[in-house]
Parts: sequence; structure tokens; C-alpha cells
Amino acid sequence: DGGITQSPKYLFRKEGQNVTLSCEQNLNHDAMYWYRQDPGQGLRLIYYSQIVNDFQKGDIAEGYSVSREKKESFPLTVTSAQKNPTAFYLCASRRGTGVANVLTFGAGSRLTVL
Amino acid sequence: AQSVTQPDIHITVSEGASLELRCNYSYGATPYLFWYVQSPGQGLQLLLKYFSGDTLVQGIKGFEAEFKRSQSSFNLRKPSVHWSDAAEYFCAVINYGGSQGNLIFGKGTKLSVKP
Repeated sequence: DGGITQSPKYLFRKEGQNVTLSCEQNLNHDAMYWYRQDPGQGLRLIYYSQIVNDFQKGDIAEGYSVSREKKESFPLTVTSAQKNPTAFYLCASRRGTGVANVLTFGAGSRLTVL
Repeated sequence: AQSVTQPDIHITVSEGASLELRCNYSYGATPYLFWYVQSPGQGLQLLLKYFSGDTLVQGIKGFEAEFKRSQSSFNLRKPSVHWSDAAEYFCAVINYGGSQGNLIFGKGTKLSVKP
């Protein structure tokens, strides 16, 4: 079955360390997104990519970086510059950016900074 | 700027009772609206969407939503709630002014179901 795989499910990090969250999709979707979710805050967009080798900052990109070397993959790196990285991170994709194409979400990765 | 408001942070209903979750949006033209559901520690699943046409939209799991332009609302309803409906529900709208294809989400309504 097609879908989005995020790994790891849980990740613990010490302050000052960079960590990379994986997002892989086999839906042949063109666009991919990273959202951050905090309790009571809804979802906020970190980065998105509409095509390979291109990506754009979202609303809260500071302290994060991404790459899009393959259509299927859109990893997110949480750098030591992110002041409050403890959160639930959701990856999503869609076939194109037309409004009729709905977002499909992965199961998420929970990052905890110790 | 576009926005989505879900006025209720937490709602508790009894199993078998009816449910209505409120969602208000701000946008000048006809919006594209969505409801997603999230079980604890999981991703989001699409319940239903409204793009145009019939203002009463049917979704999965027995949910429906009604688009009311005059009230800028897109409330989610279910006639009889099941214990498995306990989850967090998010209303969202397509963001026309920013990231192409991105969604703007409300802050969510957590639903608890009493036996």
C-alpha cells in the first residue's frame, strides 16, 4: 500500500545536537511538507518542496533545514539553532499543488530534547 | 490574512449522543475547507473536504459538515458518537496567500467520549 513513512517514531536529543527526521513516500507525489505540532497550537508549516532540488521556507523555518534530492524523500534536520525543538513533527505530501489535491500525512515523529 | 478558528478546545459527549464541532474561517472568496482527525500519537486522517457545490458534505466514519457562507462556518457533525471517535479534530483551509498548496490549520478540538 502507498503511504508516507516517518522515522524514527521517537527520538531523544541532547541540547546542542543536530538530528535528522526521515520522511519517505511511495505515492509518487510531487509536493512534500513538514509541519510542527505543539499541544494546543495546531500545525505550523516549517518547509515545503514542490519539486526535486527545490524547497521553500514556511512560517517557522528558523533552526531547521531540509533537502529534496529525490522525489520520494524529504528529510528534516533540526539544528542546534532551534531554541525549542521538543515537538511532534509531521510530514505530508500531495500529488501537486492544485487545490483539489489533498494532503496525506505520515504518522509523525516525536522529538524530545533532554 | 486567512485564519481558521476552532472555538472549543475540548468537548466531552456521551456515547450515542450527537456531536457538532465548530469551525470558522476568514477569507473573502469561496474557501477550500477540510476536516482532519488525529488519534493520539498518530498522523492526520482526512475526514472530508469542501471545494464547491453542495454545501452539505459527507465524509468517512459517518461524519458530515455544512458550509455556511453567511456565517463563515464549516461545522462538523455526527448524529451518534462512538467511543472510537475520541480524538483531536482539526479544521483547515487552503492558504491562497502564501505557500502554494499549503493548509492553514485551526488549533484543534479534542473530543472525549463518556461511556
